[in-house]
Amino acid sequence: GQQLNQSPQSMFIQEGEDVSMNCTSSSIFNTWLWYKQDPGEGPVLLIALYKAGELTSNGRLTAQFGITRKDSFLNISASIPSDVGIYFCAGQNRIQGAQKLVFGQGTRLTINP
Amino acid sequence: DTGVSQDPRHKITKRGQNVTFRCDPISEHNRLYWYRQTLGQGPEFLTYFQNEAQLEKSRLLSDRFSAERPKGSFSTLEIQRTEQGDSAMYLCASSPQRLAGQTYEQYFGPGTRLTVT
Repeated sequence: GQQLNQSPQSMFIQEGEDVSMNCTSSSIFNTWLWYKQDPGEGPVLLIALYKAGELTSNGRLTAQFGITRKDSFLNISASIPSDVGIYFCAGQNRIQGAQKLVFGQGTRLTINP
Repeated sequence: DTGVSQDPRHKITKRGQNVTFRCDPISEHNRLYWYRQTLGQGPEFLTYFQNEAQLEKSRLLSDRFSAERPKGSFSTLEIQRTEQGDSAMYLCASSPQRLAGQTYEQYFGPGTRLTVT
C-alpha cells in the first residue's frame, strides 16, 4: 500500500532557528496536507497544497508540493516555543476516487528556549 | 465551538466489552471520516461516509468494527468484543464537498483515547 516517509523523525533546535522537514512517497498524490498535533489532541490543519510545484505560506510556515507529486516539504521560520509538537504530512489521491488521507510517521519538534 | 467534536474523550474498558464512540462533524460538512492512531504513528484510515452512505472501508476495519451515520449528521463507531490491540486514539474528521466532486481539507476532532485492559 501507499506509504509516506517523513524525515527527520525528530528535531531538537534552539528557539529562533528555522526548521525544515520533508515527506516522500513511493506513489503520486494530487493533494498534500500538513498537520500539527499536540499531545492528547487531534491533528490541526496547517497548510493544504493542490498543484505540483505549488508553494504556499501560512504565517511563518511555508510548504511546497513537489513537481514529481511524490514529495512535499514544510519550513518553519524563526521557531517559537508554541511550535513544539508533532508534524504530519498527509497525501490524498483523488484521481483514484479515494478520499482517505495517507499519513507519514510524523516529525517531533522540540525547542530549547 | 463549531469544530468537530467527539465523545467520550477517554474510555477505559475491559477486554471483551463493547464500546461506542460518537462524532459530530462540522455543520454542513457532508463527508465524515474515521481514523485510528497508535502511539508514535500517524493516523490510519478506517472508513468514510458521504452523507449517510458508507463509501469506503479499510482492511483495518475488522468485522468487530461497525460505523454508522444514520441521518448524515453525527456518526458512531462501535467496537465489539474489544481486544488489547484495539487500544488507540480514534479520530474523526469531516470535510465539505466542493464543486466537481473535488474534496478539500479534512478537519479533525480531538479524538477518543481507548484503553483496553
